Amino acid sequence: SQQGEEDPQALSIQEGENATMNCSYKTSINNLQWYRQNSGRGLVHLILIRSNEREKHSGRLRVTLDTSKKSSSLLITASRAADTASYFCATVSWYNAGNMLTFGGGTRLMVKP
Amino acid sequence: DTAVSQTPKYLVTQMGNDKSIKCEQNLGHDTMYWYKQDSKKFLKIMFSYNNKELIINETVPNRFSPKSPDKAHLNLHINSLELGDSAVYFCASSQQRYTDTQYFGPGTRLTVL
Repeated sequence: SQQGEEDPQALSIQEGENATMNCSYKTSINNLQWYRQNSGRGLVHLILIRSNEREKHSGRLRVTLDTSKKSSSLLITASRAADTASYFCATVSWYNAGNMLTFGGGTRLMVKP
Repeated sequence: DTAVSQTPKYLVTQMGNDKSIKCEQNLGHDTMYWYKQDSKKFLKIMFSYNNKELIINETVPNRFSPKSPDKAHLNLHINSLELGDSAVYFCASSQQRYTDTQYFGPGTRLTVL
């Protein structure tokens, strides 16, 4: 089963509005990452938040992490049409062999001009 | 100056055939990965190689055999293709096995008829 599950599965907003996506996970993690996937393309890393951090900012992105609730949220402020994409959270667990990213099913964001 | 490249981008084949997908990264990374993204957009790790050594194998059928001739290349060979193998396959790399951020290729869409 998927470690991370995003909510909502799809989100449609107007340009200029804020978009909030949530991610829940099941096991303990070392860090959590958010990736963006444009249609027909590979995933692009957006931001990483470590398990001992509660909030992180990068440009128009704000990520929060609540390890007690095993949840994270990604906020995109002042959205643009170019933000239209699928957004995935990925939890990172360290194993003896190496890191393993476990992805959720993604949130499909559409930003209407 | 593509960082992670995959060939081919599209692959359409008949059930029972054998096919290969190639991946190359020019980032100088030590660790490479194969992921499978199904029709519902769930992304799941299949294999990870570190300096040509297999370090993660996530219960993938024996019909899938990865090969890493050098640390810049990780190929995926699939024998006796089945309908359920239809998916988008992504290659990724990270600087080292315990590095958090992964860089993804553009994906190979495999369709088995």
